Amino acid sequence: QQPVQSPQAVILREGEDAVINCSSSKALYSVHWYRQKHGEAPVFLMILLKGGEQKGHEKISASFNEKKQQSSLYLTASQLSYSGTYFCGTEIYAGNNRKLIWGLGTSLAVNP
Amino acid sequence: DVKVTQSSRYLVKRTGEKVFLECVQDMDHENMFWYRQDPGLGLRLIYFSYDVKMKEKGDIPEGYSVSREKKERFSLILESASTNQTSMYLCASSSLAGGHYGYTFGSGTRLTVV
Repeated sequence: QQPVQSPQAVILREGEDAVINCSSSKALYSVHWYRQKHGEAPVFLMILLKGGEQKGHEKISASFNEKKQQSSLYLTASQLSYSGTYFCGTEIYAGNNRKLIWGLGTSLAVNP
Repeated sequence: DVKVTQSSRYLVKRTGEKVFLECVQDMDHENMFWYRQDPGLGLRLIYFSYDVKMKEKGDIPEGYSVSREKKERFSLILESASTNQTSMYLCASSSLAGGHYGYTFGSGTRLTVV
C-alpha cells in the first residue's frame, strides 16, 4: 500500500532542477506533498485532487496522473532553503472512508 | 498563525511508566492524528479521531491509547512505556472541509524510554 518515492536522495547545486516521483499501486483520491527540515515538523506544500491536475507553490509545482496513480514534484531553480526531506502522502479509498498513506521520503540537499 | 502545539519537545521516561503526550490545535479542525516517525520506516499512524470522544486505531495502535475529550485536544497515552517506543511522535490535524487543505503538524515530541 505504501507509495514508492524515487529517488531516495538527491544532491543539487543551487539553481539546478529536480523531480521527485511518487507511485502507488492503489487507486488514489488525492496526493499530498510535504517538506520536512531536520528537527522540524513536516510542512504542507500542496494537494492534488484531480487527474492531470498541476499546482504550483513558488518555484515548486506538481502533477498528478490519476490513471497511472503517480504524482511528480518539480523543483525549479533550487534554492538552499529547499533542502529537506520531501514526503508524498497518497489518499486511498478505505471502505467508506479515505486513508492517507505516506511514502518514505526523498532527501534533497541543495549546496551552494 | 495557526498552530498545532505539542506539550513537550523532549521527554525521557523509564520503562514501565505511564506517559502522556498532549496535542492542542487552535484551528477548529475536526480531524486529529498521532504518528510516530522512525528512520527508514517513515510516518506510521498510531491513532486518529474525526470527532470529539471518537477514536480509531491506526496501523500500529498496540501499547498506545488516546483520549479526545475536547475538539482541540488529542492526547496519546503510553500505558506502560517500553524501549521500543523510543521515537519521534508527531501530532497532526486537518479539516473535514478537506479539499485544498492538508495536514498541519506539531513540532514533535522526541521520546526516549530508558
